[in-house]
Amino acid sequence: EDQVTQSPEALRLQEGESSSLNCSYTVSGLRGLFWYRQDPGKGPEFLFTLYSAGEEKEKERLKATLTKKESFLHITAPKPEDSATYLCAVRIQGAQKLVFGQGTRLTINP
Amino acid sequence: GAGVSQSPRYKVAKRGQDVALRCDPISGHVSLFWYQQALGQGPEFLTYFQNEAQLDKSGLPSDRFFAERPEGSVSTLKIQRTQQEDSAVYLCASSLGTSGGDTQYFGPGTRLTVL
Repeated sequence: EDQVTQSPEALRLQEGESSSLNCSYTVSGLRGLFWYRQDPGKGPEFLFTLYSAGEEKEKERLKATLTKKESFLHITAPKPEDSATYLCAVRIQGAQKLVFGQGTRLTINP
Repeated sequence: GAGVSQSPRYKVAKRGQDVALRCDPISGHVSLFWYQQALGQGPEFLTYFQNEAQLDKSGLPSDRFFAERPEGSVSTLKIQRTQQEDSAVYLCASSLGTSGGDTQYFGPGTRLTVL
C-alpha cells in the first residue's frame, strides 16, 4: 500500500535556528513528490515538485531534496512568518490523485 | 488571476440533512479534485474529474457522497443524510492538464460541522 510518513509531527524552533523536516514514502512508482504549506483556516499552498532522486529545489529560506525513499525540507534561518503546517504528498504511476502525509506543524518563536 | 474558490466557507448541518458544497476551479483547468481533511491530518483523496468525466471515485467513503461537474468547470460535492463523522474540511483542487507534473492548486476549503 502506498504510504507517506512525515516527521516530526510538531517542531518548535527559535528564530534563526535551522532545521529539517522529513517525508518518507513507500510507493509502487513515484511520478512526483510535492511539498505544500498550509496556514490555519486556509488551503494548502504549493511550494515544490521533485521528480527524481538527487533533485533539489530552493525558494527563499526553503530547500527541498529527494532520495529514493525520502525527501527533506530544509529551513535555513527561519522567521516567525515561516510558522505553518508543511505537507508532503506523492503522485504514483497510473493515478492522478495525491497521497498526503499527516504534516509537520512548525512554530518559529521570535 | 483568480484562484480556486469554494462556497460556502463554513456549513453547519444537523445530522441527517443533505449538504452541497461548491467548487469554482481556475479557469481553463481540465482536472478537478476533491479531498477531505480531518483535524490535524493531511488531506485524503475523494474523487477526480477530467473535464466533465469522473474518472476516479475510489476515495468516496460511502454512497452518501456524490460529486458532479456537468459542464467541465464548476463542481458540486453532495453529501446526503450527513453523519457526525462527515465533519471535516472539504478541499477542492484544480490542475491545468493531466500530466504527472501538473501542480494541483487548492481552494480555501469548506469546513463542515455536523451536529
